[in-house]
Amino acid sequence: EDQVTQSPEALRLQEGESSSLNCSYTVSGLRGLFWYRQDPGKGPEFLFTLYSAGEEKEKERLKATLTKKESFLHITAPKPEDSATYLCAVQAGTGGSYIPTFGRGTSLIVHP
Amino acid sequence: NAGVTQTPKFQVLKTGQSMTLQCAQDMNHNSMYWYRQDPGMGLRLIYYSASEGTTDKGEVPNGYNVSRLNKREFSLRLESAAPSQTSVYFCASSEGLAGERGTQYFGPGTRLTVL
Repeated sequence: EDQVTQSPEALRLQEGESSSLNCSYTVSGLRGLFWYRQDPGKGPEFLFTLYSAGEEKEKERLKATLTKKESFLHITAPKPEDSATYLCAVQAGTGGSYIPTFGRGTSLIVHP
Repeated sequence: NAGVTQTPKFQVLKTGQSMTLQCAQDMNHNSMYWYRQDPGMGLRLIYYSASEGTTDKGEVPNGYNVSRLNKREFSLRLESAAPSQTSVYFCASSEGLAGERGTQYFGPGTRLTVL
């Protein structure tokens, strides 16, 4: 069975304190790995898609990387407005319907 | 573009009542989805529609029915609501299923309480 595990469940940072969120997965034939941001009371908002090991994508203070077993979302010099829940979803490409499986998310709070 | 819209935003039902959650997208996407989100459980897929005219069960379909009314609209029906269906419901759409076409765009959610 495909599994997606995110860690830590919650993370508190001081403004400017860089850190990383982890998404580990066990799927057959990775087709894509998606990162989303979810603000309280709102729907998830798409951030990145990664397809193959070694791939990296950046957006402002966020950088997503992918290996064969996990993905990291690096947050450099975070600001309070980066506070949100970050969701990872994995899309398998073999024997399935390609519907992404979501992890439970990491809740990030950045203190000023 | 409004993206994905959902109605209603909030709803309170009594056990046994029925209701339909509405979802519409204006991005000309082929695929649409219904998820529920509960504390500590993450997003769980209820039903999805890969393309107009098709629907398939997801991880937690029991107690729900769906209708893909046309390419734009995908509704979720609770025939006889139960307290276990108290949750936040999200509709999403994507261009297709595989790869980059599978990038999902979410609506703002419907917060449902069943008493």
